[in-house]
Amino acid sequence: ETAVFQTPNYHVTQVGNEVSFNCKQTLGHDTMYWYKQDSKKLLKIMFSYNNKQLIVNETVPRRFSPQSSDKAHLNLRIKSVEPEDSAVYLCASSSRDRNTLYFGAGTRLSVL
Amino acid sequence: GQQVQQSPASLVLQEGENAELQCNFSSTATRLQWFYQHPGGRLVSLFYNPSGTKHTGRLTSTTVTNERRSSLHISSSQTTDSGTYFCAMASGGNYKPTFGKGTSLVVHP
Repeated sequence: ETAVFQTPNYHVTQVGNEVSFNCKQTLGHDTMYWYKQDSKKLLKIMFSYNNKQLIVNETVPRRFSPQSSDKAHLNLRIKSVEPEDSAVYLCASSSRDRNTLYFGAGTRLSVL
Repeated sequence: GQQVQQSPASLVLQEGENAELQCNFSSTATRLQWFYQHPGGRLVSLFYNPSGTKHTGRLTSTTVTNERRSSLHISSSQTTDSGTYFCAMASGGNYKPTFGKGTSLVVHP
C-alpha cells in the first residue's frame, strides 16, 4: 500500500533551470530522507530530517536544498541543474522506534 | 563511515534454482533492511532484520550481528524474482542508512 507519495514522476528540463520535487508521507513517521539513485543504481543519501530538523546533510552541491514544512512533508529544490543531476530521486520515511524505511516511487530527472 | 558490501554483484539462475545473496558491513548494524527493486520500480522492503532469522514465503533473511553480515536466501526461484536486491544498514542512532551496490538477479524460464 502506497504511503510515501512523490511528485512529479518524471521531469525533463534544461541545464541551468530550477526544479522542485515534493514528498509526502502518511505513515505518521518523524524522519524523512532524500536519496539519489544514479544510472548504475547506486543509492546515496543526500539529506535526512527528524521532526522538521535537518540532521544529515551529506556532501552534495550547494544547489541542492531540502525544505520541510512539517514532519509529513520533505521537498527538494535544485537551483541551476547540471547534466550530472540526471538521476532518480527517492524519498523515504521511518519512525524512530520501528526504524524500517519506506520509499516513494521516485522522481526521474533528465537534464538536457 | 559505515560501508556495505554486497555479493555477488550479479547472478543468473534457471527457474527453480536457489539463490544466496550476501551483505557485509563495516560496523555493527542496529538497523538492517533488505529491499527488492524491479527495473524501473520502487524499492520494496523485504525484511527488517538487524539480528536473527526471518522467513516470508520463499525468502529467508539471516543476520549475524557480531559477524557484521546478513544473507538473503531465495528458494525455488521464479522469473518474477528478477530484479535488484539491496541491503541497507545503519549503526547506533544515526539517521544515515547506507546501501550496498545491490545484487542484480536474472531468473530464466
